Amino acid sequence: AQSVSQHNHHVILSEAASLELGCNYSYGGTVNLFWYVQYPGQHLQLLLKYFSGDPLVKGIKGFEAEFIKSKFSFNLRKPSVQWSDTAEYFCAVNRNAGKSTFGDGTTLTVKP
Amino acid sequence: NAGVMQNPRHLVRRRGQEARLRCSPMKGHSHVYWYRQLPEEGLKFMVYLQKENIIDESGMPKERFSAEFPKEGPSILRIQQVVRGDSAAYFCASSPSPGTAGGYGYTFGSGTRLTVV
Repeated sequence: AQSVSQHNHHVILSEAASLELGCNYSYGGTVNLFWYVQYPGQHLQLLLKYFSGDPLVKGIKGFEAEFIKSKFSFNLRKPSVQWSDTAEYFCAVNRNAGKSTFGDGTTLTVKP
Repeated sequence: NAGVMQNPRHLVRRRGQEARLRCSPMKGHSHVYWYRQLPEEGLKFMVYLQKENIIDESGMPKERFSAEFPKEGPSILRIQQVVRGDSAAYFCASSPSPGTAGGYGYTFGSGTRLTVV
């Protein structure tokens, strides 16, 4: 069974700091990869996704993620975080249709 | 253009009662997924449905839990004889048919927070 690991449970940064959230998955076959964000009091929203092609994927709000197949990783990055980026971030994996498996989430707190 | 609609947003049930959670997928989406989020935990897959079909129920507890997605109307997640351990946030997501290009990202509803007292 596939699994998803997010390395950090809680990350605290000051505004303008750079962000990198780790995500590793266990499945060795072809996968689709996603990052979702859940702002306080809101539902989960898709941040970005990777299906194929360029392993560097750009999403909304200045976020990007890099798929490194050899490392089974899909880390999320942002060069300069803002207070409004405070949220919970979930990495997810699925295999061409069907269910997605989610990581346990990383709570990001950005201090103004 | 309504997204995924879940109701109720909050549901309180006494132990032993039944809980019925509803999910209307986004317009044009034919695939529905239910996830449960326990306090301090991530999203755990429960069941994946298409209209009138359960595609994958590998995450559903063997007893008391059932799900359906009828031809007409919303998808229903039903929990019979609720216990305190069922208290959680239940999220529904929908997607278009994956087709041959691979999966799509989900559109999530706002969730139903079930509290069993």
